[in-house]
Order: sequence, then structure tokens, then C-alpha cells
Amino acid sequence: GAVVSQHPSRVICKSGTSVKIECRSLDFQATTMFWYRQFPKQSLMLMATSNEGSKATYEQGVEKDKFLINHASLTLSTLTVTSAHPEDSSFYICSARGQMNTEAFFGQGTRLTVV
Amino acid sequence: DAKTTQPNSMESNEEEPVHLPCNHSTISGTDYIHWYRQLPSQGPEYVIHGLTSNVNNRMASLAIAEDRKSSTLILHRATLRDAAVYYCILISGGSNYKLTFGKGTLLTVNP
Repeated sequence: GAVVSQHPSRVICKSGTSVKIECRSLDFQATTMFWYRQFPKQSLMLMATSNEGSKATYEQGVEKDKFLINHASLTLSTLTVTSAHPEDSSFYICSARGQMNTEAFFGQGTRLTVV
Repeated sequence: DAKTTQPNSMESNEEEPVHLPCNHSTISGTDYIHWYRQLPSQGPEYVIHGLTSNVNNRMASLAIAEDRKSSTLILHRATLRDAAVYYCILISGGSNYKLTFGKGTLLTVNP
């Protein structure tokens, strides 16, 4: 299957700082990318959907000014958690879908710990 | 979004087949049936998808009921590496593509 690379896999940051997570589609053009958050023993929660070159569509309850999503190219999307707090500690996962695909491919996930 | 219903958990023995059920009685004509699985501390992995006909690939088989209101993911010979949470998801084939996850089925494989 297609490869989606997410970086970093693990990050620890201080409360109040910002963290950027990158998601790259390595062997296909991702017209749509999705960002999820997952708390322990829970399912994935969709945060936002982004299409290349346009603003992300955020799910209800997700603060767009706190979770900045940029999808500037067909192979790269970034999620920036701004002014992170301990409650933002979670497993963040991206996925990408090409225009000709009905399936989506997922990154390895980023474990964020805010101390 | 059309919803799916899956058992919370299932158990299997290694080397035996596993049938993971999924009910989706409100499926629409353009919805694809997708299956993903998530191993601990990893991102989900695509398993298989189908629309109306049964599908086979190297990982699994997907059996779709004639009325499309249910489907079954079949792992022909379970291994310990198949222990994961399996998600059955309906995705619209139209322009409104959205990939949202339910609770899935936690599959335990016993040695």
C-alpha cells in the first residue's frame, strides 16, 4: 500500500509552547488529509479534514486557532498544536487519500506529552 | 454518516479462521465498506474495502451480504500479529469523503 510518513513519532514539550507535526505522503499525491486524536483505550476522533490548497474543515468542538492545519502541497500537511497544555497530551494521527483512491493510508502517529 | 455496529471484542486461536461481523443497516447505495485495523501504539492500517461483491486480498477476505446491510471480514488463519482493533467504516463514494471511526472490535488471538 501507499506510504504516509508522520514525524516526529514522539515529542515532549513544555506547557505553553507550540509543537508542529508533519505528515507526508511519500509515493502518491494526497488530495485530502485527515487529522485525528486518540486518547488511551478510545477510538480515533476526527479533528479536521484538509484539501490541498484550501482551508481545513474542523469538526465540531475542535478549536481551529489552537490546532493549526496547513496543507500547502499535495504531499505535505502539518498540524501545529499552539500553546500546548497537559490536556493536549494525546496520540495524534494523520491519514491521506489520493484522488483516485477510496482507501486512506495512515501515518505512524505522534505521541505528544505536554509537561 | 451511516453507522456501523460491531461486537466490542472477539477471541480466536492461532491458525484458525476469524469472522469479524459488521452491521450497517442504513448503508446507502454509494457507500463503500472499508475495514481498517490498529495495532497497539500504531496508526491504523488499511485492510480491505468493497462495494457490492466479495473481495479478496493478501490480508483478508470481505464478504458482503446481498442486501449490503452487513458484512464480514474474514482472516483465514489468524496469527498473533493479527491481534488488533478492527474497524468497519462506511465511506461515501461521492464528493463528501469522510473517514470517521467507531469503537471497533478488539480481536484477541490466543497461542
